[in-house]
Amino acid sequence: DGGITQSPKYLFRKEGQNVTLSCEQNLNHDAMYWYRQDPGQGLRLIYYSQIVNDFQKGDIAEGYSVSREKKESFPLTVTSAQKNPTAFYLCASSIESSGGIYNEQFFGPGTRLTVL
Amino acid sequence: GDSVTQMEGPVTLSEEAFLTINCTYTATGYPSLFWYVQYPGEGLQLLLKATKADDKGSNKGFEATYRKETTSFHLEKGSVQVSDSAVYFCALRGAGNNRKLIWGLGTSLAVNP
Repeated sequence: DGGITQSPKYLFRKEGQNVTLSCEQNLNHDAMYWYRQDPGQGLRLIYYSQIVNDFQKGDIAEGYSVSREKKESFPLTVTSAQKNPTAFYLCASSIESSGGIYNEQFFGPGTRLTVL
Repeated sequence: GDSVTQMEGPVTLSEEAFLTINCTYTATGYPSLFWYVQYPGEGLQLLLKATKADDKGSNKGFEATYRKETTSFHLEKGSVQVSDSAVYFCALRGAGNNRKLIWGLGTSLAVNP
């Protein structure tokens, strides 16, 4: 089955530690995204990547880093510089066509990060 | 810039009631419009979409019509079920090359038996 996997589902981290969230897709999608979701605030874009070896900052990139070495993988690192990292993190992907028709995003199940 | 405004929740309904969740947008040109649903503890799923004015998206009994004149994309369902309890997000994608989706804040729906 094609889809997006995120691991782990629940993650606990001590304050001051970096942690990496995994996101893998086998949909052959070009673009991938990371969102942060907090209660009452909807989805906020952290980083996105339209092509391998390229990525752009979203609206709240400070304290986060990403890499896109392979088309199917887009890991997110939450660094110790992120002041309030406890949140639900969602990864998404989309296929890109020149006509922009296939532009909906497909989401993974999310990772809930808790900083202790 | 582009923006999406959707009605605040939570919305609480009894089973078989009629549902409307309002969504209005601001954008230049002709954006694509989406409704996503998020069940508790899960990621988001695309519920329906519309890519041009007067298009009606529909899925699982839900409908939304792309109204250019009122810049709206309201979500409706004639008879909700307990299983429809979730958070619903309205989103748009601009007409240009920007790949980003612009999201509403989400509306929580609780359906009681």
